Order: sequence, then structure tokens, then C-alpha cells
Amino acid sequence: AQKITQTQPGMFVQEKEAVTLDCTYDTSDPSYGLFWYKQPSSGEMIFLIYQGSYDQQNATEGRYSLNFQKARKSANLVISASQLGDSAMYFCAMRDYSGGYQKVTFGTGTKLQVIP
Amino acid sequence: ETGVTQTPRHLVMGMTNKKSLKCEQHLGHNAMYWYKQSAKKPLELMFVYNFKEQTENNSVPSRFSPECPNSSHLFLHLHTLQPEDSALYLCASSQGGSNEKLFFGSGTQLSVL
Repeated sequence: AQKITQTQPGMFVQEKEAVTLDCTYDTSDPSYGLFWYKQPSSGEMIFLIYQGSYDQQNATEGRYSLNFQKARKSANLVISASQLGDSAMYFCAMRDYSGGYQKVTFGTGTKLQVIP
Repeated sequence: ETGVTQTPRHLVMGMTNKKSLKCEQHLGHNAMYWYKQSAKKPLELMFVYNFKEQTENNSVPSRFSPECPNSSHLFLHLHTLQPEDSALYLCASSQGGSNEKLFFGSGTQLSVL
């Protein structure tokens, strides 16, 4: 089974609108962390936001917020007031213990295109 | 100066060549990683080094050989690669801890002919 699932290969959003990128995860580890990264065409992966499994509140970082629904095992990224510079690939990732090590597993990504 | 620097940015090599990818981090981190990113596939973790010691080898073929001479430098030596090894190779570093975030370099785009 996939540990991280991103079901949206591509998304379009109008500039200044909000967009939600979906992510579901699967783990039996009670202590885990969820991350979102942005990858522009330059190739570098840029950290956006982190949510710990025991955090009571949803994480927020500027225009980014993480809609964490633990029972549903989902960790959707919400980008408010989209900007043209937000056009990029977005990857959801999870850190948990697997095989005795902490590992970070990535999803396949969602390509977001912001339309002027 | 970026936190994690990778060279070269692009590399084209034949299947009989030997080349090396270099990664340097200026963040004082203790862990360094190699990831492979192929089209339409999730990032694949290849190797992990903690305090210069290899703590994970994710069933990577022996034609990929990592080297970590110190906590700031990481190499990936390549020899007799196959065309399916063409991908973006990303280096990352982290400080450590359960909520550690990864800091990535810009990657090396490798093409094997």
C-alpha cells in the first residue's frame, strides 16, 4: 500500500484564489510528522509547512495552512491568495518509523498552475 | 550562498563512464541524504548518513557508491550506469530530531546514454 497518496496529478487555480492540494497517508506509527514541499522548475525542493501527529492545532505558515484530519489520515495543503510564483510541483511527505529507522516518504506530487 | 549546493547541475554520461556527484551543506547539519527523482514516481531515498556513518542503504545497486568524508560533504560515485538511471539526483541535509525538515539542493539532472 502507498504510504503517501496524492490523487491530483495537476491542478489549476485563478490568481488570488485559494486552492487545496490533497494528501492522504498510511502509517501504524503513532508518532509521525507530515511535511509539504514545493519544487519549482529550478529543481530545488523547498520546505513549506510541518504538522506533528500530536499537534492539536492545524499548522499555518503565512499563506500556507495544513488541514490535518487525523481520523481520516489526511493532510491537505491549503494555499490562500494564490500568486503566479506558486506555480510548481507540490509534494506531501511523511516521517515515521519503518524498519527500525525514521524515514521520510514522499508522494508523487501535484503540479499546480496559477492562471493570471 | 544556498544552504545545500550540488554540482554539477547537469551531467551526461555513457554507460561505461565513471563520474561523481558532489553535495556540500553549509548548515551545520548532522545528516545527509541522496534521493533519486524519476518522472512520475515518488522521490526514492537511496542513502542516509548520520555523523558520517551510513545508516541506510535502500537496496541501491552497487553501481551507485556513496562517500561521506565529513558531515558537510557527500558524494555519489557512478559507474557502468544504465539508461534507466537517468533521473534528477537530489541531496538533502537535516539537523536531526523527529520533526526535522529536510533542506535540499537543486539537484543534478543525470542523463545516461
